[in-house]
Amino acid sequence: QVQLVESGGGLVKPGGSLRLSCAASGFTFSDYYMSWIRQAPGKGLEWISYISISGNTKYYPDSVKGRFTISRDNAKNSLYLQMNSLRAEDTALYYCTREGRMGDYVFDYWGQGTLVTVSS
Amino acid sequence: IQLTQSPSSLSASVGDRVTITCRASQDISSYLAWYQQKPGKAPKLLIYAASTLQSGVPSRYSGSGSGTDFTLTISSLQPEDFATYYCQQLNSYLLTFGGGTKVEIK
Repeated sequence: QVQLVESGGGLVKPGGSLRLSCAASGFTFSDYYMSWIRQAPGKGLEWISYISISGNTKYYPDSVKGRFTISRDNAKNSLYLQMNSLRAEDTALYYCTREGRMGDYVFDYWGQGTLVTVSS
Repeated sequence: IQLTQSPSSLSASVGDRVTITCRASQDISSYLAWYQQKPGKAPKLLIYAASTLQSGVPSRYSGSGSGTDFTLTISSLQPEDFATYYCQQLNSYLLTFGGGTKVEIK
């Protein structure tokens, strides 16, 4: 079965960096576009990055552009999110998601999330 | 593209018909999805392309609309349906979600 398992979250000081990982299994990872979506405590969902199958196309919203970098290693079935210059407002649960076959930007599988806390 | 969901919360009883609306700030054709999220769990895809039910989702769920106005309807609310529901626009690669609608037990 499809599994997405995030790791790498934790407590970091403002201005610090963190790298999240997502281990994918149960499907051919190299056939799917992937995204990261986050959810601040008690808040709604915010899409924060998207990567194509090859890794050549990446999208970000303005809130993280220039600070976050999405990448993937198809040989390792893994998705990554490098987060730099972290701010308190980046505190959230970060989900790894798979774009399904039913159309662009529809997320049919989600991991359970990894919590990032930015605090001094 | 901004998505505005209403109401932000509602109370309903088992067996009730529930309707949630999602309004887009510009025309997004039928490029809309709905997700359900239960406390402590990841969101689950319910509907895509505004009205297409994801495999395995009960038929009491339905979606409608196009352009800027969309609805998610639960025809007969079941105990397992108490959750928060989010719409998501798929029209632009700058993806956005609605603010969510929490469905609570009356």
